[in-house]
Amino acid sequence: GQNIDQPTEMTATEGAIVQINCTYQTSGFNGLFWYQQHAGEAPTFLSYNVLDGLEEKGRFSSFLSRSKGYSYLLLKELQMKDSASYLCAVRDRNTDKLIFGTGTRLQVFP
Amino acid sequence: ETGVTQTPRHLVMGMTNKKSLKCEQHLGHNAMYWYKQSAKKPLELMFVYSLEERVENNSVPSRFSPECPNSSHLFLHLHTLQPEDSALYLCASSPGGQSYNEQFFGPGTRLTVL
Repeated sequence: GQNIDQPTEMTATEGAIVQINCTYQTSGFNGLFWYQQHAGEAPTFLSYNVLDGLEEKGRFSSFLSRSKGYSYLLLKELQMKDSASYLCAVRDRNTDKLIFGTGTRLQVFP
Repeated sequence: ETGVTQTPRHLVMGMTNKKSLKCEQHLGHNAMYWYKQSAKKPLELMFVYSLEERVENNSVPSRFSPECPNSSHLFLHLHTLQPEDSALYLCASSPGGQSYNEQFFGPGTRLTVL
């Protein structure tokens, strides 16, 4: 079966660092995506990991460990505009479909 | 500005109504998707079209009927819906034929069924 777990909600302070974790179980793994979704808006692509390690893109970084079925999204120098839901999605190798988690709602306070 | 547009952005309908959701992508992609997003639930894939042919139907009730007249347009026809169908309906597109690469989402249609 397939299952993706991520925390439902997180809070953090402006200027701080926050790490959003995602664990997954899948019969065939072929990449992990992180999307950002502001309330009432479309999800937008943040990062893609298919090999183990850290991918850095400005203030955002994403890490993957395939052996542990684990990823995290790291957000540095938090800004108020980073308040949003962050969706973890795994691509199933057998079907090529994206399987989404429920998303983590992050609130950034001044 | 997003390359994927959806209309209407909000829709309220009764259970006996018939309505249609429209999605248009301006990215030259070959694959298009319909997702349902309910509160506190993961995004659920409903339909996938690749090169205008339906390649996936995730056991969606027949009261939802998709149509893909060309690679740029996707419709979701709604008929005799139930209150539990109230949700955000998201359209997405991706490049390639049957290879599901990074997906680009539209802003969604917020549907309320009374």
